[in-house]
Amino acid sequence: QVHLQESGPGLVKSSGTLSLTCTVSGASMNNYYWNWIRQPAGKGLEWIGRIYTSGTTKYNPSLKSRVTLSVDTSKNQFSLRLDSVTAADTAVYYCARLRGNQFGEQDKFDIWGQGTMVTVSS
Amino acid sequence: DIQMTQSPSSLSASVGDRVTITCRASQSISNYLNWYQQKPGKAPNLLIYAASTLQSEVPSRFSGSGSGTHFTLTISSLQPEDFATYYCQQSYSILMYTFGQGTKLEIK
Repeated sequence: QVHLQESGPGLVKSSGTLSLTCTVSGASMNNYYWNWIRQPAGKGLEWIGRIYTSGTTKYNPSLKSRVTLSVDTSKNQFSLRLDSVTAADTAVYYCARLRGNQFGEQDKFDIWGQGTMVTVSS
Repeated sequence: DIQMTQSPSSLSASVGDRVTITCRASQSISNYLNWYQQKPGKAPNLLIYAASTLQSEVPSRFSGSGSGTHFTLTISSLQPEDFATYYCQQSYSILMYTFGQGTKLEIK
């Protein structure tokens, strides 16, 4: 059974850098896209970006200038880096697997981590 | 960006009721529409993909329909465990996946 687990600091200073890692267990990372999605308290879901195991990335245009995703398949991990954070970046951050056209299917987030709360402090 | 708008934003219903939630896209997305259920403090869970295909192990009381810009999620007979927030999400534009704002389903 595939399991995703987010890890990283729960508190980041304003103007600093948010760094999170997602560890994938129970299956290979190959042939899937790996994503970060966030949710401010009491609000909806915002897609941040995705990375393929080859390292190919796509980012939300509204965050593109501040976001970097990376992947380390030897450790079965992928990571999020968000620069110049503000209070608006305070949210629960989820990692999620995207299953889609590489299997002849439509894209969908089929496996999610439990989420990790990140607070940006002034 | 493709905007996704759900209605209603919240809904009160009773166990056994039939409930329908609507999702509209700002442009045609064919059937590239997914539905998720989220319970408090938990991650979203995929219910339906490609507008009408039930994800494995999701109860058959859940169904989805629609294409183009108008989609619905129907729960045929509400069970206590169905009270949650539901989100639609378009996968038509791979440059930018977007979600609806959510519909909170509460017990009447």
